[in-house]
Amino acid sequence: EVQLLQSGGGLEQAGGSLRLSCAASGFSFSTYALCWVRQAPGKGLEWVSLIIGSGGSAYYADSVKGRFTISRDNSRNMLYLQMSSLRAEDTAVYYCARAYGGAFYNEPLSYWGQGTLVTVSS
Amino acid sequence: EIVLTQSPGTLSLSPGDRATLSCRASQSVSSNYLAWYQQKPAQAPRLVIYGASIRATGIPDRFSGSGSGTDFTLTISRLEPEDFAMYYCQQYGRSPPYTFGQGTKLEIK
Repeated sequence: EVQLLQSGGGLEQAGGSLRLSCAASGFSFSTYALCWVRQAPGKGLEWVSLIIGSGGSAYYADSVKGRFTISRDNSRNMLYLQMSSLRAEDTAVYYCARAYGGAFYNEPLSYWGQGTLVTVSS
Repeated sequence: EIVLTQSPGTLSLSPGDRATLSCRASQSVSSNYLAWYQQKPAQAPRLVIYGASIRATGIPDRFSGSGSGTDFTLTISRLEPEDFAMYYCQQYGRSPPYTFGQGTKLEIK
């Protein structure tokens, strides 16, 4: 069974940093691209970042580029999102998600973590 | 960046009705790389349709997707009580960033 178990998050002040983690199991980790998607309170979904299976390429939404870093440890089946220079508008539930069928982009998201709340106080 | 616009914002229907949700893209979505997700309160999204028209695993056949280019539709033929939720479209063509529509709330009339 595919599982994505998230940890991290919580309350941080504006300008601070947080790291989110996503522990994966039930599939061949390095053969799938992974994403972070966020959802501000009462709002819609916002795509944040994607990393390909090898970890060799990463992509970001303009809203987080230069502040957030996605990474993965294929030896530990772990996905991370390092968030720095946090802003109040980064307050959201953050989901990790797995690509449907492969290691690259051009894939929908077929499995999702349970979500973790990040609150940035100004 | 491709902007996706969903309509209507809210759709009020009754169980047994047919639901038609629209997603329009600001430019053509390459290879029809368009997905639909269902999200219920306090839950993670669930993939419903990908490739514009392919049902994801475990999705009932009352759900269908259609469209190409810039205009896409999610149809639910006969609404069941469990179908009332938020629905989002997402494009994943070309290279990232990938974008979601703002969502359609399907509510019980």
